[in-house]
Formats: sequence, C-alpha cells, structure tokens
Amino acid sequence: DQQVKQNSPSLSVQEGRISILNCDYTNSMFDYFLWYKKYPAEGPTFLISISSIKDKNEDGRFTVFLNKSAKHLSLHIVPSQPGDSAVYFCAAKGGYQKVTFGIGTKLQVIP
Amino acid sequence: EAGVTQFPSHSVIEKGQTVTLRCDPISGHDNLYWYRRVMGKEIKFLLHFVKESKQDESGMPNNRFLAERTGGTYSTLKVQPAELEDSGVYFCASSLGPGPYEQYFGPGTRLTVT
Repeated sequence: DQQVKQNSPSLSVQEGRISILNCDYTNSMFDYFLWYKKYPAEGPTFLISISSIKDKNEDGRFTVFLNKSAKHLSLHIVPSQPGDSAVYFCAAKGGYQKVTFGIGTKLQVIP
Repeated sequence: EAGVTQFPSHSVIEKGQTVTLRCDPISGHDNLYWYRRVMGKEIKFLLHFVKESKQDESGMPNNRFLAERTGGTYSTLKVQPAELEDSGVYFCASSLGPGPYEQYFGPGTRLTVT
C-alpha cells in the first residue's frame, strides 16, 4: 500500500522552462513533506521541505506547493537547468515517525 | 565536515551467504536510519536508531536482518542468510533529531544476491 505516490515515472523539459513534479499522498497523519534529488550512484540529497501548516515554500529556483485538501504536493523548478536532471523523490512523515518515500520521477532537462 | 559514509559500495554474494554492511553517520548525529531500495521501487524504511537504541524497527523484513549500533556511533546491518529478494541498494541516513530534521543520506551499498 503506497502512501506516497508519484504517478509520473519520467518527465522531459526544455532548459529554461518550468519543471513540475507531482506527488499524492493518502495518509492524513503526514504533517511534513520533503523532496529529495538523487543522481546515479549517489544517495538522495535533501532539496526542499514544507510543513503541513503552510501551502508554499520557496528556495531559489525550487518551490513546493501543498494542497492538503487534495492531499497533493508539487515541486516547481524554474528555470530548469541541465544539472537538474536526476530522480526526484517525494517523501512524507507524520510527527516523529519514519519517512515514507514515493517511487521517484526521473527528470531530464534537455539543453 | 564528512558526510555519511557506507561500506562497501557494492557487494555480490551467493544465496545463503552472509553480508555485513556498515554505515558511519555524520559526527554528532544521534539518529541513524537504514533504508532499502529494490530496483524500480520506492525507498523503504528499515529501522531507526537513536544513539545505540532501536527506536523503530518496523520496516525490517524478517529475522534474517540484524542491525546494531554499538556505542551509538557507526552501525552495521547484517543479512544472514541472504536470499535473492534481498538484492537492492541499502541506504543509511543520519540526522540531528527525529522530527522535521533533514536526513543526510550516504551513497548506498548495492547488494546483489545471486
């Protein structure tokens, strides 16, 4: 039973355009959401997070939006750069509980 | 500051053999986590240490897996005996606290059981 779902296994975007990665969750107890980026042969690297009390968090080119009523979050990357090409994992946790990850979306930014 | 390190980076063993994975967390991080990613699937939580104590081991697949963190520093994850379905990438992560603290991941150990 996947509690964090990333329904798009891959996404291709032109350099300079916006990349939008989507994530849905089912567990209402989740109150903290994270995005991790992963390059091949490396571990996931924390990118950005958002608490359930907010609906938006921005860090440079990265913005995460949270829609609690829809149990949906998205990561926007603007403008997209070739170095952003990686696998992006959506993750969530409730309180001090374990982090639950999605299956990942592979982003390819085309120069 | 050194990041999370894991050893070995890759291990190939035969079914029935034993393998021990090691994780060295970031110095000062009391919280240490083990995760596993089977090819093409999500990264799955295995267990969580706070110092030397197991805080949550609900993700451990079965009793063939044994994790230890003696002295609250590095941790080992032993698989004995290994089965084919144990193949995957095992990640270790550490954090300062258990709550909304960023977890820093190591590069992972790729385990292949043949």
